[in-house]
Amino acid sequence: AQSVTQLDSQVPVFEEAPVELRCNYSSSVSVYLFWYVQYPNQGLQLLLKYLSGSTLVESINGFEAEFNKSQTSFHLRKPSVHISDTAEYFCAVSEVDTGRRALTFGSGTRLQVQP
Amino acid sequence: NAGVTQTPKFQVLKTGQSMTLQCAQDMNHNSMYWYRQDPGMGLRLIYYSASEGTTDKGEVPNGYNVSRLNKREFSLRLESAAPSQTSVYFCASSERSSNYGYTFGSGTRLTVV
Repeated sequence: AQSVTQLDSQVPVFEEAPVELRCNYSSSVSVYLFWYVQYPNQGLQLLLKYLSGSTLVESINGFEAEFNKSQTSFHLRKPSVHISDTAEYFCAVSEVDTGRRALTFGSGTRLQVQP
Repeated sequence: NAGVTQTPKFQVLKTGQSMTLQCAQDMNHNSMYWYRQDPGMGLRLIYYSASEGTTDKGEVPNGYNVSRLNKREFSLRLESAAPSQTSVYFCASSERSSNYGYTFGSGTRLTVV
Protein backbone atom coordinates (compact mmCIF):
# COMPACT_ATOMS: atom_id res chain seq x y z
CA ALA A 1 0.00 0.00 0.00
CA GLN A 2 1.13 3.53 -0.68
CA SER A 3 2.05 5.97 2.09
CA VAL A 4 3.40 9.50 2.43
CA THR A 5 5.60 10.96 5.14
CA GLN A 6 6.01 14.66 5.78
CA LEU A 7 8.61 14.83 8.51
CA ASP A 8 8.19 18.50 9.41
CA SER A 9 4.87 19.43 11.00
CA GLN A 10 5.82 23.13 11.14
CA VAL A 11 8.41 25.19 9.28
CA PRO A 12 8.96 28.80 10.44
CA VAL A 13 10.87 30.99 8.01
CA PHE A 14 11.50 34.69 7.50
CA GLU A 15 10.11 36.54 4.53
CA GLU A 16 12.33 36.41 1.42
CA ALA A 17 14.25 33.40 2.76
CA PRO A 18 14.32 30.08 0.86
CA VAL A 19 12.29 27.12 2.10
CA GLU A 20 12.13 23.38 1.52
CA LEU A 21 9.20 21.21 2.64
CA ARG A 22 10.09 17.55 2.67
CA CYS A 23 7.99 14.68 1.37
CA ASN A 24 8.88 11.00 1.13
CA TYR A 25 6.63 8.31 -0.21
CA SER A 26 6.46 4.53 -0.18
CA SER A 27 4.98 2.40 -2.92
CA SER A 28 5.74 -0.87 -4.70
CA VAL A 29 4.64 0.51 -8.07
CA SER A 30 5.04 3.68 -10.10
CA VAL A 31 3.36 6.73 -8.65
CA TYR A 32 1.92 10.13 -9.42
CA LEU A 33 2.85 12.85 -6.91
CA PHE A 34 1.08 16.03 -5.88
CA TRP A 35 1.44 19.05 -3.62
CA TYR A 36 -1.69 20.76 -2.33
CA VAL A 37 -1.96 24.01 -0.37
CA GLN A 38 -4.60 24.87 2.21
CA TYR A 39 -5.12 28.46 3.31
CA PRO A 40 -6.92 29.05 6.65
CA ASN A 41 -10.56 27.95 6.65
CA GLN A 42 -10.45 26.86 3.03
CA GLY A 43 -10.34 23.64 1.08
CA LEU A 44 -7.19 22.28 -0.55
CA GLN A 45 -5.93 23.63 -3.85
CA LEU A 46 -3.65 21.80 -6.25
CA LEU A 47 -0.22 23.47 -6.30
CA LEU A 48 1.70 21.21 -8.68
CA LYS A 49 1.92 17.60 -9.81
CA TYR A 50 4.33 15.09 -11.27
CA LEU A 51 2.87 12.54 -13.67
CA SER A 52 5.76 11.70 -15.99
CA GLY A 53 8.56 13.31 -17.99
CA SER A 54 10.74 16.00 -16.47
CA THR A 55 11.38 15.33 -12.81
CA LEU A 56 11.28 19.05 -11.99
CA VAL A 57 7.81 20.58 -11.92
CA GLU A 58 6.87 24.17 -11.22
CA SER A 59 3.83 26.09 -10.05
CA ILE A 60 2.69 29.51 -11.25
CA ASN A 61 3.57 31.18 -7.94
CA GLY A 62 7.25 30.24 -7.78
CA PHE A 63 7.18 26.85 -6.03
CA GLU A 64 8.93 23.85 -7.56
CA ALA A 65 9.27 20.20 -6.65
CA GLU A 66 11.64 17.52 -7.86
CA PHE A 67 10.78 13.86 -8.16
CA ASN A 68 13.67 11.70 -7.00
CA LYS A 69 12.88 8.05 -7.63
CA SER A 70 15.99 6.67 -5.94
CA GLN A 71 15.29 8.68 -2.78
CA THR A 72 11.49 8.21 -3.09
CA SER A 73 11.12 11.91 -2.43
CA PHE A 74 9.18 14.85 -3.82
CA HIS A 75 10.41 17.88 -1.85
CA LEU A 76 8.80 21.28 -2.38
CA ARG A 77 11.02 24.36 -2.62
CA LYS A 78 10.73 28.09 -3.06
CA PRO A 79 13.78 30.37 -3.33
CA SER A 80 12.13 33.37 -1.68
CA VAL A 81 8.90 33.16 0.32
CA HIS A 82 6.26 35.83 0.93
CA ILE A 83 3.92 36.40 3.85
CA SER A 84 1.10 35.24 1.60
CA ASP A 85 2.69 31.77 1.35
CA THR A 86 1.70 31.11 4.96
CA ALA A 87 -0.50 28.02 4.73
CA GLU A 88 -0.51 24.27 5.26
CA TYR A 89 1.01 22.14 2.53
CA PHE A 90 0.11 18.54 1.83
CA CYS A 91 2.01 16.02 -0.23
CA ALA A 92 -0.07 13.27 -1.86
CA VAL A 93 0.52 10.13 -3.91
CA SER A 94 -1.50 7.85 -6.13
CA GLU A 95 -0.40 4.61 -7.72
CA VAL A 96 -0.27 4.18 -11.46
CA ASP A 97 -2.40 1.52 -13.12
CA THR A 98 -3.57 -0.26 -9.97
CA GLY A 99 -7.23 0.62 -10.32
CA ARG A 100 -7.14 2.49 -7.05
CA ARG A 101 -8.07 6.00 -7.98
CA ALA A 102 -7.83 7.83 -4.67
CA LEU A 103 -4.99 9.94 -3.35
CA THR A 104 -3.16 9.21 -0.11
CA PHE A 105 -2.13 12.37 1.74
CA GLY A 106 0.67 13.12 4.14
CA SER A 107 0.04 14.69 7.54
CA GLY A 108 0.81 18.19 6.31
CA THR A 109 3.45 20.86 6.96
CA ARG A 110 2.45 24.26 8.29
CA LEU A 111 4.59 26.97 6.69
CA GLN A 112 4.76 30.10 8.84
CA VAL A 113 6.35 33.07 7.09
CA GLN A 114 7.41 35.81 9.47
CA PRO A 115 8.18 39.44 8.55
CA ASN B 1 -17.69 28.92 -11.08
CA ALA B 2 -19.15 26.93 -8.17
CA GLY B 3 -16.91 23.84 -8.46
CA VAL B 4 -17.62 21.59 -5.44
CA THR B 5 -20.29 22.73 -2.99
CA GLN B 6 -20.62 21.27 0.49
CA THR B 7 -23.46 21.81 2.92
CA PRO B 8 -23.65 22.58 5.76
CA LYS B 9 -20.46 24.49 6.59
CA PHE B 10 -20.81 23.96 10.34
CA GLN B 11 -22.77 21.47 12.43
CA VAL B 12 -22.98 20.48 16.08
CA LEU B 13 -24.51 17.09 16.87
CA LYS B 14 -25.24 15.25 20.06
CA THR B 15 -23.86 11.74 20.44
CA GLY B 16 -26.19 9.27 18.77
CA GLN B 17 -27.79 11.75 16.38
CA SER B 18 -27.69 11.20 12.65
CA MET B 19 -27.02 13.57 9.80
CA THR B 20 -26.13 13.71 6.12
CA LEU B 21 -23.40 15.84 4.63
CA GLN B 22 -24.19 16.95 1.12
CA CYS B 23 -21.76 17.41 -1.76
CA ALA B 24 -22.42 18.49 -5.34
CA GLN B 25 -20.08 19.25 -8.23
CA ASP B 26 -20.83 21.00 -11.49
CA MET B 27 -17.72 20.06 -13.48
CA ASN B 28 -19.06 16.82 -14.96
CA HIS B 29 -16.43 14.86 -13.03
CA ASN B 30 -16.74 11.10 -12.85
CA SER B 31 -15.06 10.48 -9.48
CA MET B 32 -15.97 11.84 -6.06
CA TYR B 33 -14.41 11.42 -2.62
CA TRP B 34 -15.01 12.04 1.05
CA TYR B 35 -12.06 12.74 3.36
CA ARG B 36 -11.81 13.74 6.99
CA GLN B 37 -9.10 16.06 8.26
CA ASP B 38 -7.80 15.83 11.81
CA PRO B 39 -4.88 17.75 13.34
CA GLY B 40 -1.55 16.05 12.70
CA MET B 41 -3.13 13.30 10.61
CA GLY B 42 -3.63 14.96 7.27
CA LEU B 43 -6.57 13.83 5.18
CA ARG B 44 -7.86 10.30 5.45
CA LEU B 45 -10.14 8.75 2.85
CA ILE B 46 -13.55 7.66 4.11
CA TYR B 47 -15.28 6.55 0.90
CA TYR B 48 -14.96 7.22 -2.77
CA SER B 49 -17.01 6.77 -5.91
CA ALA B 50 -14.99 6.11 -9.05
CA SER B 51 -18.05 6.60 -11.23
CA GLU B 52 -21.79 6.97 -10.99
CA GLY B 53 -23.29 3.84 -9.46
CA THR B 54 -20.15 2.64 -7.67
CA THR B 55 -18.80 3.28 -4.19
CA ASP B 56 -15.79 1.87 -2.35
CA LYS B 57 -14.47 2.00 1.18
CA GLY B 58 -11.40 4.02 1.97
CA GLU B 59 -9.08 4.01 4.94
CA VAL B 60 -11.59 4.94 7.67
CA PRO B 61 -15.12 3.90 6.62
CA ASN B 62 -16.48 2.68 9.97
CA GLY B 63 -19.46 4.68 11.19
CA TYR B 64 -20.21 6.18 7.77
CA ASN B 65 -22.32 5.40 4.74
CA VAL B 66 -22.39 7.06 1.34
CA SER B 67 -24.74 7.47 -1.58
CA ARG B 68 -23.80 8.46 -5.12
CA LEU B 69 -27.18 9.90 -5.94
CA ASN B 70 -26.27 10.83 -9.53
CA LYS B 71 -23.18 12.04 -11.35
CA ARG B 72 -23.27 15.41 -9.54
CA GLU B 73 -24.04 14.42 -5.96
CA PHE B 74 -22.25 12.30 -3.36
CA SER B 75 -23.56 12.34 0.20
CA LEU B 76 -22.00 11.12 3.45
CA ARG B 77 -24.21 9.88 6.28
CA LEU B 78 -23.43 9.45 9.94
CA GLU B 79 -26.06 7.07 11.32
CA SER B 80 -25.16 7.44 15.01
CA ALA B 81 -22.63 10.18 15.61
CA ALA B 82 -19.78 9.67 18.09
CA PRO B 83 -17.32 12.22 19.55
CA SER B 84 -14.54 10.48 17.55
CA GLN B 85 -16.25 11.73 14.40
CA THR B 86 -15.58 15.35 15.35
CA SER B 87 -13.56 16.53 12.36
CA VAL B 88 -13.50 18.65 9.24
CA TYR B 89 -14.98 16.79 6.30
CA PHE B 90 -13.96 17.51 2.73
CA CYS B 91 -15.60 16.40 -0.45
CA ALA B 92 -13.57 16.34 -3.66
CA SER B 93 -14.06 15.41 -7.27
CA SER B 94 -11.84 14.55 -10.21
CA GLU B 95 -12.03 13.48 -13.81
CA ARG B 96 -11.73 9.82 -14.70
CA SER B 97 -8.70 9.18 -12.52
CA SER B 98 -6.97 11.00 -9.69
CA ASN B 99 -3.90 11.91 -11.76
CA TYR B 100 -5.84 14.90 -13.01
CA GLY B 101 -5.86 16.24 -9.47
CA TYR B 102 -8.79 16.90 -7.21
CA THR B 103 -11.09 19.90 -6.82
CA PHE B 104 -12.03 20.29 -3.17
CA GLY B 105 -15.06 21.77 -1.48
CA SER B 106 -14.61 24.26 1.34
CA GLY B 107 -15.36 21.70 4.04
CA THR B 108 -17.87 20.94 6.79
CA ARG B 109 -16.74 21.45 10.37
CA LEU B 110 -18.56 18.87 12.50
CA THR B 111 -18.54 18.75 16.28
CA VAL B 112 -20.10 15.84 18.15
CA VAL B 113 -20.75 16.50 21.84
